[in-house]
Amino acid sequence: AQSVTQLGSHVSVSEGALVLLRCNYSSSVPPYLFWYVQYPNQGLQLLLKYTTGATLVKGINGFEAEFKKSETSFHLTKPSAHMSDAAEYFCAVISSSGGATNKLIFGTGTLLAVQP
Amino acid sequence: EPEVTQTPSHQVTQMGQEVILRCVPISNHLYFYWYRQILGQKVEFLVSFYNNEISEKSEIFDDQFSVERPDGSNFTLKIRSTKLEDSAMYFCASRRTGGTGELFFGEGSRLTVL
Repeated sequence: AQSVTQLGSHVSVSEGALVLLRCNYSSSVPPYLFWYVQYPNQGLQLLLKYTTGATLVKGINGFEAEFKKSETSFHLTKPSAHMSDAAEYFCAVISSSGGATNKLIFGTGTLLAVQP
Repeated sequence: EPEVTQTPSHQVTQMGQEVILRCVPISNHLYFYWYRQILGQKVEFLVSFYNNEISEKSEIFDDQFSVERPDGSNFTLKIRSTKLEDSAMYFCASRRTGGTGELFFGEGSRLTVL
């Protein structure tokens, strides 16, 4: 069964600093990996995804993530944090449970705070 | 840009009452999902629906829950007799056939059970 682990439930950075949110996955098959963002009182918005091909994927709002099979990781980064990046970030993997489901399995989330 | 819409955005109900949460998935999508997020906790899978039937459900999705696609556009989640612990944000999602499995989520319906 697939799973994801997000290290650090809370991360605080200064505006302009590097953002690094960690995600490790467990999967018996090549994974499809996703990062979603949830702004306060809003739904889940896709930031970026990895399926096949290039291991460095770029998403919206300047975020990117690198799929590292050897480390079973898919960490999310942004070179320079902005106040508007304050949100909760969820790493997710597609479950290969078979059939028609292909459900997403979410990590526990990381709340990013950006200090002025 | 097409989006998943959910109503109501917030519902307050008394314990034991029935609640129906409604969702309009993206029109050409064929797979539908309900997830829930209890305050401060992770987003949890409840149920998936395809070809007019449940394709998978979690342990959370017990006999108190049901889903329906009554008219070809709406996708509903019904909780027959709400409990305090059903208080959560409920997210509907849909995805199209094939592709990379990306789920498109609605803004959520916040359910508060008193």
